[in-house]
Amino acid sequence: GQQLNQSPQSMFIQEGEDVSMNCTSSSIFNTWLWYKQDPGEGPVLLIALYKAGELTSNGRLTAQFGITRKDSFLNISASIPSDVGIYFCAGHPGGYNKLIFGAGTRLAVHP
Amino acid sequence: NAGVMQNPRHLVRRRGQEARLRCSPMKGHSHVYWYRQLPEEGLKFMVYLQKENIIDESGMPKERFSAEFPKEGPSILRIQQVVRGDSAAYFCASSPPTGENTGELFFGEGSRLTVL
Repeated sequence: GQQLNQSPQSMFIQEGEDVSMNCTSSSIFNTWLWYKQDPGEGPVLLIALYKAGELTSNGRLTAQFGITRKDSFLNISASIPSDVGIYFCAGHPGGYNKLIFGAGTRLAVHP
Repeated sequence: NAGVMQNPRHLVRRRGQEARLRCSPMKGHSHVYWYRQLPEEGLKFMVYLQKENIIDESGMPKERFSAEFPKEGPSILRIQQVVRGDSAAYFCASSPPTGENTGELFFGEGSRLTVL
């Protein structure tokens, strides 16, 4: 089946630093999505990318849909303590919303 | 704020008992998805339902697990004769009944099942 490789698994950074994480796949996706999960909560959509090469921003977050349609990255600039959580990439192969999730990047921000 | 509502938030069962997890989708949404998250892992698709129809249950274990979304009332994920390996967070997500499936899902807060 389709699998996503998400890296890094975890990051420990100082407040104010920039963060970068990425996802790769052996399969092509029509859509890449990035979700954030706070402790004890469900995932919340951060950014959705629909076209190969697309670069999209949402506040301090920037994400790109790779040209090959097999990868995506998420950058967070000037991190703050509330950025703590687990960030998941997800690929949408098309059709109904049966998403393939990466294993997540666990982010810790030290003040 | 009529988001996706799941209950119970936490459920403890002994091996061999049954677990029933409920999900009410967002207002206006008629498509429901169930995902399972094992500790330290990502979410794995289990089943996709519309009202009174199971569309795709390819992610459901063949035995003990069942799901329904009746005409009236919430969607139910039922796990019979639970085993320790069923301990996980079960998330429900919904999407609107549009022709475009964008991949954008609205998740509930999850039901965390612990099997003793």
